[in-house]
Amino acid sequence: KAGVTQTPRYLIKTRGQQVTLSCSPISGHRSVSWYQQTPGQGLQFLFEYFSETQRNKGNFPGRFSGRQFSNSRSEMNVSTLELGDSALYLCASSLAEGASTDTQYFGPGTRLTVL
Amino acid sequence: AQSVAQPEDQVNVAEGNPLTVKCTYSVSGNPYLFWYVQYPNRGLQFLLKYITGDNLVKGSYGFEAEFNKSQTSFHLKKPSALVSDSALYFCAVRTYNFNKFYFGSGTKLNVKP
Repeated sequence: KAGVTQTPRYLIKTRGQQVTLSCSPISGHRSVSWYQQTPGQGLQFLFEYFSETQRNKGNFPGRFSGRQFSNSRSEMNVSTLELGDSALYLCASSLAEGASTDTQYFGPGTRLTVL
Repeated sequence: AQSVAQPEDQVNVAEGNPLTVKCTYSVSGNPYLFWYVQYPNRGLQFLLKYITGDNLVKGSYGFEAEFNKSQTSFHLKKPSALVSDSALYFCAVRTYNFNKFYFGSGTKLNVKP
């Protein structure tokens, strides 16, 4: 079974631009979560989607948004990019209906560099 | 508030020696605890989890972890370290009432030949 895939793997953007990242979960998984990883802040939770609905949200500004499609694929968008948005963005999927015991499986990440 | 602490930024171990990576947590309610490993420029790989039952949990690549409720700890262990175990290790906690994963800051494990 294929793992979580994320595209693109690398992105270079300039300040003020916007960017869209894509995530395809493991087949059959219905929950998708997004994380931002930076050396200084570690892993920070962005949001979680289940059945096309946002179920949880982290403490990020409104420039960060996401959505989930009916096939469980998810996208996240960052508008008006800032230098501090440079990070590894990780997507994770899980099988069941967001049960707390569920394991999240991570994709390889998208490395975003903002110049 | 839910939180996870990994008190050591880095752990150095000689190949063949046992290793321990520490994790403590603070939650309301029963914790569900996870360990992940991250190799350079890769995503996180799931190693093992504790949900309930036996306090000693065995996972991938020979790793195991012991849940200690009184000390609110979930330390990751391996009897004999390999150079290939060198990576960044993350502990995470989740509870029934708080569905988000809370990750520790990560511990870099260095295994020297």
